Amino acid sequence: GAGVSQSPSNKVTEKGKDVELRCDPISGHTALYWYRQRLGQGLEFLIYFQGNSAPDKSGLPSDRFSAERTGESVSTLTIQRTQQEDSAVYLCASSFELAVSYNEQFFGPGTRLTVL
Amino acid sequence: AQSVAQPEDQVNVAEGNPLTVKCTYSVSGNPYLFWYVQYPNRGLQFLLKYITGDNLVKGSYGFEAEFNKSQTSFHLKKPSALVSDSALYFCAVRAGGFKTIFGAGTRLFVKA
Repeated sequence: GAGVSQSPSNKVTEKGKDVELRCDPISGHTALYWYRQRLGQGLEFLIYFQGNSAPDKSGLPSDRFSAERTGESVSTLTIQRTQQEDSAVYLCASSFELAVSYNEQFFGPGTRLTVL
Repeated sequence: AQSVAQPEDQVNVAEGNPLTVKCTYSVSGNPYLFWYVQYPNRGLQFLLKYITGDNLVKGSYGFEAEFNKSQTSFHLKKPSALVSDSALYFCAVRAGGFKTIFGAGTRLFVKA
């Protein structure tokens, strides 16, 4: 079946511009996560959505970062006024979760963002 | 606050030898622990998880991990390494809610 997809796969932008990254989760998955992976480093949690609950935004590094999710479907991560330190691979993942469950996440291929 | 430590940036092992990739965690409450692997030019893939029950967990590709509550560790192991196991390995922990914290990753090199 279809996995998690992300678009664009690569994005080059100029400092100060806004960018939008898109994630299409696996159909039926209730939870959706965004992570940032800087070159040679681990995954940094940004935000997650679970069903109709309020999202956990505790990992967003600044108010320039925001994310939305439409129901249990597509999500967009928006970075306003991009800075060079925003350059990274942005990974999206989804999982099927109930109130008390601990299922694995399925990751997309990522969007490589380069801010010049 | 929950955290995960992978003390080794890199692990080198000869093909056919056993391998261990270390992970320690810090959480309040019960830990739910995961291992993921990132092969070159491929996305992250789930390997195995510990939720409850038997401390030895078996996963994909012959990997296993041992949960040790007293040492707050969840080391990844394989009895006989393959060159194709060379990849970046991430340990992750959840403790309450769905927020997942990943370690910094350990790069495994298996030499033929």
